[in-house]
Amino acid sequence: KAGVTQTPRYLIKTRGQQVTLSCSPISGHRSVSWYQQTPGQGLQFLFEYFSETQRNKGNFPGRFSGRQFSNSRSEMNVSTLELGDSALYLCASSLVGPEAVGYTFGSGTRLTVV
Amino acid sequence: GNSVTQMEGPVTLSEEAFLTINCTYTATGYPSLFWYVQYPGEGLQLLLKATKADDKGSNKGFEATYRKETTSFHLEKGSVQVSDSAVYFCAFRSPGNQGGKLIFGQGTELSVKP
Repeated sequence: KAGVTQTPRYLIKTRGQQVTLSCSPISGHRSVSWYQQTPGQGLQFLFEYFSETQRNKGNFPGRFSGRQFSNSRSEMNVSTLELGDSALYLCASSLVGPEAVGYTFGSGTRLTVV
Repeated sequence: GNSVTQMEGPVTLSEEAFLTINCTYTATGYPSLFWYVQYPGEGLQLLLKATKADDKGSNKGFEATYRKETTSFHLEKGSVQVSDSAVYFCAFRSPGNQGGKLIFGQGTELSVKP
């Protein structure tokens, strides 16, 4: 079956702009999580959505937001981009409940802010 | 607070050498534990997992045992190959959190020379 699909793979934006990243989970997976990966901070949890509701949130400013649609696809948005937002953004999907012992990650979106 | 500590890299080994990457965690209760691998330019792939004390996760020759008494989940492989060169991440999910919030270690880069 198809894996987690993230689009676009690469993105270059200018400071002050906003950006929207997309994630399509594995069919049947209802939980979608987002992570930011940078050389300095490593992998940091952004937020998680389940049934179109944000269930968990990491320690990121309000410029970072997300949403989930009824088909479980998710988007994350970053407004007023800063140079420090340059990172690999990873999306992961999973089942929920006791069977949710594995998370499948997408290949990520590489965002560069100039 | 909750955290994961991995041995620092890079780790450089010759082909067929024995590999150990240490991982310890700080968490309350019995978290689920994971090892993920990231190849250059790609997202994370689940390598193995363990959900309760004394469980042994294994995959592709890699093994890790959930040691509650030492709060550790060290990754081992008896004979590494050049194709194992990648960054390895230890992670856990807190008990009671059925969602997608994973806490990651900083990653350990492994380089295997022929």
